[in-house]
This record gives sequence, structure tokens and C-alpha cells, in this order.
Amino acid sequence: DAGVIQSPRHEVTEMGQEVTLRCKPISGHDYLFWYRQTMMRGLELLIYFNNNVPIDDSGMPEDRFSAKMPNASFSTLKIQPSEPRDSAVYFCASSLGRGRVQPQHFGDGTRLSIL
Amino acid sequence: RKEVEQDPGPFNVPEGATVAFNCTYSNSASQSFFWYRQDCRKEPKLLMSVYSSGNEDGRFTAQLNRASQYISLLIRDSKLSDSATYLCVVPDTGRRALTFGSGTRLQVQP
Repeated sequence: DAGVIQSPRHEVTEMGQEVTLRCKPISGHDYLFWYRQTMMRGLELLIYFNNNVPIDDSGMPEDRFSAKMPNASFSTLKIQPSEPRDSAVYFCASSLGRGRVQPQHFGDGTRLSIL
Repeated sequence: RKEVEQDPGPFNVPEGATVAFNCTYSNSASQSFFWYRQDCRKEPKLLMSVYSSGNEDGRFTAQLNRASQYISLLIRDSKLSDSATYLCVVPDTGRRALTFGSGTRLQVQP
């Protein structure tokens, strides 16, 4: 079975540019999570969706960040305008939502560098 | 108190050694716990789920102590390939998300 699929794997761009990260969750999973990981701050939850609806975006750093989930098989995380401090690895994860809390399955991540 | 606390290490052990990591958590209502493994420059991968007092999978044993609110991970007969960062994970308070510990780094040496 296919796991969580993220694209691109790597992105290098200049500050001020718009960046769009993409994620396809595991089929049948009804929760989708976006994380950011840096050496200094570790793994931070940015936002998560349940059945395509954003549930908690309290981790989104500021208005420059936005996320959408137009259908059950696709989500985007957009940064506009990008800044050097946004450089990090961005992970998408998905999980089932029934009963007790289930483990999350991660994609390979997008390594983002803002120059 | 942080939601999840782990000793960052590194733990440097020889091949074949037994090593144990502890993790403390603050949410006494938590019912599910997880250990993830993360290799350098890779994504976190689920190692074990812990729903009751413990779980065992080959060389790996996880134990849960609800009274003291800690979870341990024991690795027996360490292999070079066990070198990684081990993340302790507990459910968030009040929402259906997970809190990841900052991880414990293990380096198994020949």
C-alpha cells in the first residue's frame, strides 16, 4: 500500500517567493497533520484536519502560512511570502480517527531552504 | 511540566548491549502511547504502540507505568542499525493530536 506522499522532496527558493507543499494522505485515513521540524524547535504541529475540515491551526506561525484540504486525498501548505526563518523540513502525516488515538504515518518530508 | 520529557542523550553503547530510555508525560488521562524512531534526515517511523501496561516486539520492549506517568523503551542485543533518535509520543490534552518528545539519541558502536 502507498504511504503518505509529499512533494516536492526538496525546495530551494529566494525569500519573498511563494512556496506550495503538497501531500497525499494514506487512502482511508480521515486525519491529516502538517508538521515542521528544525534542530532548534524539534517537531512542531502546525495544523490538522479531520474529514477535510481544519480542526486546529494554533500552531501556524503567522498569516504567511495557510493550509487547505480540498478533498480527502490532497492537502497543501502554502507560505507567502517566504522568509529565511521558514527553512525547515515539513512533514505531512495521516491517521485513522476511530476509537482511541491512533498512530500517525509520516511522509518523506519536504526539505525547504529559503535563501 | 512539559507534556513529554525525554533525556536527549546521546546514549553511546557497544553492539550487543541492552539500553533503556525513559519518558515522562503530564497528561494522566492518556490511553495511547507510541515510540517512534527517526533516522538522520528521515521521517519519524512508528516503532511500537502501547495501549496497556506494555508491549514487546522482538528485541524491543515498551513498558508503561501509569502511576508514575512514565514509559520506557528497552532494546536488547543492540545492533549498529539501531542507531537513531527515539521519540516518545503521547496524545495531546483535549484534542486528537499527538505530542512528540524531543527524542533520545542512540549511537551503537562496533
